[in-house]
Amino acid sequence: GQQLNQSPQSMFIQEGEDVSMNCTSSSIFNTWLWYKQEPGEGPVLLIALYKAGELTSNGRLTAQFGITRKDSFLNISASIPSDVGIYFCAGPYYGGSQGNLIFGKGTKLSVKP
Amino acid sequence: NAGVMQNPRHLVRRRGQEARLRCSPMKGHSHVYWYRQLPEEGLKFMVYLQKENIIDESGMPKERFSAEFPKEGPSILRIQQVVRGDSAAYFCASSPGGNNEKLFFGSGTQLSVL
Repeated sequence: GQQLNQSPQSMFIQEGEDVSMNCTSSSIFNTWLWYKQEPGEGPVLLIALYKAGELTSNGRLTAQFGITRKDSFLNISASIPSDVGIYFCAGPYYGGSQGNLIFGKGTKLSVKP
Repeated sequence: NAGVMQNPRHLVRRRGQEARLRCSPMKGHSHVYWYRQLPEEGLKFMVYLQKENIIDESGMPKERFSAEFPKEGPSILRIQQVVRGDSAAYFCASSPGGNNEKLFFGSGTQLSVL
């Protein structure tokens, strides 16, 4: 079945460093979504990608829809302590209804001041 | 605008009891989704509802779990005769009508079964 594999599983970085994480699948996705989840809260949508090759920014965050449609990348520039959280990629389940999303297991980001 | 509201935030039940989780979607949203998250895992889709209709329940366990979204009031996820394996965070999300995959999530209900 469809699966999303995220790497790395966790990252420990220094404040000010750039961060890069990715999400891959053996299946093609037509939409890629990146969410951030902070402890005790629900995921918050960061970036949505709808077209192969698309590069979209949201402040210090930049995400790309891979040209093969089987991967996506999220970059965070000049990290700050409030970037701490778990970053999930997600995409629609093939053949499912709207809102039936597959989520990866997440990349846990820790930022040292 | 209030976001997606879930209550309670924390719910403790003993094995065999019933759990009722409530969700009020964002204002103007008529589509509600329930997801479950186990520790160290991503979210897993359970059910998609519109007012008075279950659209997709492909992720719901066949027994003990049910969901509704009545004409008036919040959406309810009901778990009967809870077992320890039901312990998880349950998230509700909503979206505006139409073909829209951008979901807005609530803060979740953490269910603990003793």
